Amino acid sequence: NAGVTQTPKFRILKIGQSMTLQCTQDMNHNYMYWYRQDPGMGLKLIYYSVGAGITDKGEVPNGYNVSRSTTEDFPLRLELAAPSQTSVYFCASSQRGSGSAHYGYTFGSGTRLTVV
Amino acid sequence: GNSVTQMEGPVTLSEEAFLTINCTYTATGYPSLFWYVQYPGEGLQLLLKATKADDKGSNKGFEATYRKETTSFHLEKGSVQVSDSAVYFCALSDGGNQFYFGTGTSLTVIP
Repeated sequence: NAGVTQTPKFRILKIGQSMTLQCTQDMNHNYMYWYRQDPGMGLKLIYYSVGAGITDKGEVPNGYNVSRSTTEDFPLRLELAAPSQTSVYFCASSQRGSGSAHYGYTFGSGTRLTVV
Repeated sequence: GNSVTQMEGPVTLSEEAFLTINCTYTATGYPSLFWYVQYPGEGLQLLLKATKADDKGSNKGFEATYRKETTSFHLEKGSVQVSDSAVYFCALSDGGNQFYFGTGTSLTVIP
């Protein structure tokens, strides 16, 4: 059971470069999320999706884009990387939206991104 | 708005010591409350949860009771082990599309 798989695990980007963080889940969950974890700041929601073809902004969406063409995949795109985007990024999924929030998330193992 | 406040870390305990990590919350309505654990190099894992007032969540020897009157959900364990060394996050859900996380408390257990 793979759960939620994120790639890459580590990446160093130069300012202005772009990259895509990959996230795949094999649990047929309809809800997927991207969070960033900054030291001492907890987790902040970047984007989320309630199903294929539907995405919405979270607390901190600026500088990021997402797409959800399939139930399984929810990639996060960084355009024009900035040092402020240095963080650890977590993808998560859940079985349903409100109501299933009671069941909690399944998290990936994270991507550590450094922008220099 | 919704928010979660956790006690500052890091916390260092000797093996078999008693653990308490404090968590208080602010929310409208009746949120569900959670504790997540993050082991080194891994993602967050659900440790326990409680969905209504006075519920007690428990797992792996950890417990937390949903106290509406004090808006708290403190995590406790009677006897910690070295393998419990991790970062612990308190979180709440108001049934909407995101969780609200505390800043995390790092626990180190020494033999």
